[in-house]
Amino acid sequence: LAKTTQPISMDSYEGQEVNITCSHNNIATNDYITWYQQFPSQGPRFIIQGYKTKVTNEVASLFIPADRKSSTLSLPRVSLSDTAVYYCLVGLYNQGGKLIFGQGTELSVKP
Amino acid sequence: DTGVSQNPRHKITKRGQNVTFRCDPISEHNRLYWYRQTLGQGPEFLTYFQNEAQLEKSRLLSDRFSAERPKGSFSTLEIQRTEQGDSAMYLCASSLVVLGSPYEQYFGPGTRLTVT
Repeated sequence: LAKTTQPISMDSYEGQEVNITCSHNNIATNDYITWYQQFPSQGPRFIIQGYKTKVTNEVASLFIPADRKSSTLSLPRVSLSDTAVYYCLVGLYNQGGKLIFGQGTELSVKP
Repeated sequence: DTGVSQNPRHKITKRGQNVTFRCDPISEHNRLYWYRQTLGQGPEFLTYFQNEAQLEKSRLLSDRFSAERPKGSFSTLEIQRTEQGDSAMYLCASSLVVLGSPYEQYFGPGTRLTVT
C-alpha cells in the first residue's frame, strides 16, 4: 500500500482557508485518495474521497494533480470546531477493505 | 439508525485478566472492522469481517486476541491475559460497499482500555 507523508501539525485562525497537502509518491494506478477527520475521544469520520482532478462536497475540496503523487485537502473558512486530526489514506478504498492510517495532521484553529 | 455503537466505553482491568468488547454496526452494513489506537498515533487495523466470515487478521492480533461475528451482526473482541501494552482505544467500524460510490467506514466512539 502507498505510504503517505503529511505535516504533523498546522495552525490556522477562524475564517481562513486551510490546505493540507499529502505526498504519496508510489500511489498505484487503482488507488483512491481518502481523507478522514478525528476529534479527541471519537472515532475517525470520512471527509472526502477522490481519484483524480477535483472533488468537492459540503465539507471540503480535494485537489489531485495529474501525476497523482500528492493531494491537497482544502477546508474553506475554518472554525474552532474544525480543530482535529486529519488523515490522508491511499489505497483500493473503492472496493472496501482495511484502512491504513498514518500519523495524521493535527490542525489547531485559533480564534 | 444511530450509527456504530460500542460497549463499554471505558474498561479498567488488571494485568492478566480477560476483557471482552462489543460492537454493534450499522444494521445494513455487511463489513465490520476492528482497529486499535494508541495516543498520538493513527488507528491500526486488527481484523475485519464480511458478514460472519473473518477475512483478514493483522499480525498485531496475537493469539491472545480473538474476534467473532457469530450471526453477521454484532461483533465481540476478546483479549485474554491482558498486558499493559494492550492499553489503547479499540475502535470498531462498519461499511457497505456500493460500486460507484465513495467507500467509507463508519466508526464507533471506541472502547478505551486501561490495563493496570
